[in-house]
Amino acid sequence: SQTIHQWPATLVQPVGSPLSLECTVEGTSNPNLYWYRQAAGRGLQLLFYSVGIGQISSEVPQNLSASRPQDRQFILSSKKLLLSDSGFYLCAWSDFGREGQPQHFGDGTRLSIL
Amino acid sequence: AQSVTQLGSHVSVSEGALVLLRCNYSSSVPPYLFWYVQYPNQGLQLLLKYTSAATLVKGINGFEAEFKKSETSFHLTKPSAHMSDAAEYFCAVSDQDYGGSQGNLIFGKGTKLSVKP
Repeated sequence: SQTIHQWPATLVQPVGSPLSLECTVEGTSNPNLYWYRQAAGRGLQLLFYSVGIGQISSEVPQNLSASRPQDRQFILSSKKLLLSDSGFYLCAWSDFGREGQPQHFGDGTRLSIL
Repeated sequence: AQSVTQLGSHVSVSEGALVLLRCNYSSSVPPYLFWYVQYPNQGLQLLLKYTSAATLVKGINGFEAEFKKSETSFHLTKPSAHMSDAAEYFCAVSDQDYGGSQGNLIFGKGTKLSVKP
């Protein structure tokens, strides 16, 4: 069966520090991958999605970047964190190339910026 | 373009009462629809999905949803609420502007369900 792992579960970082959040998927090949952010009272915001290695689409201009160095690995990064980067970050995957497929989510990373 | 509207950011019911969470969608093509549940500090868990096979969809934890094309609705129901149902619920529609192959979903803003003893 397929599983998705996100780490760390919680992270406290000072303003201006770098960030790296990692997500890996097991049990499937060539998945679509997604990064979301949930800020308090603002619902789910899609940040990035990827349909293949090295293929990243950004949904909103921001202080963050994403990379997909391997088929089932998705990384969210920042060179210098802002206070506004605080939130709950979720990684998700879905089957590639098939319409109507659900997304499957990881357990999330709670990021607090001090 | 597709969109989703969840009516009511907060819903409160008594334990044992009917749960009804409302979702209306907008789509120019036959939609794929989903309900997710999120417990505090956890990711989203798929409750059920509608992919045009049957209009009444049964999901996990006793939840079900009915697709009504004439009303463009996909409301989530459960006959009898349990304390463990307290969570946030999200309705989503598949974004088919790009042919759907990239799998993007458009989420509603969520409805927080409280269950009173």
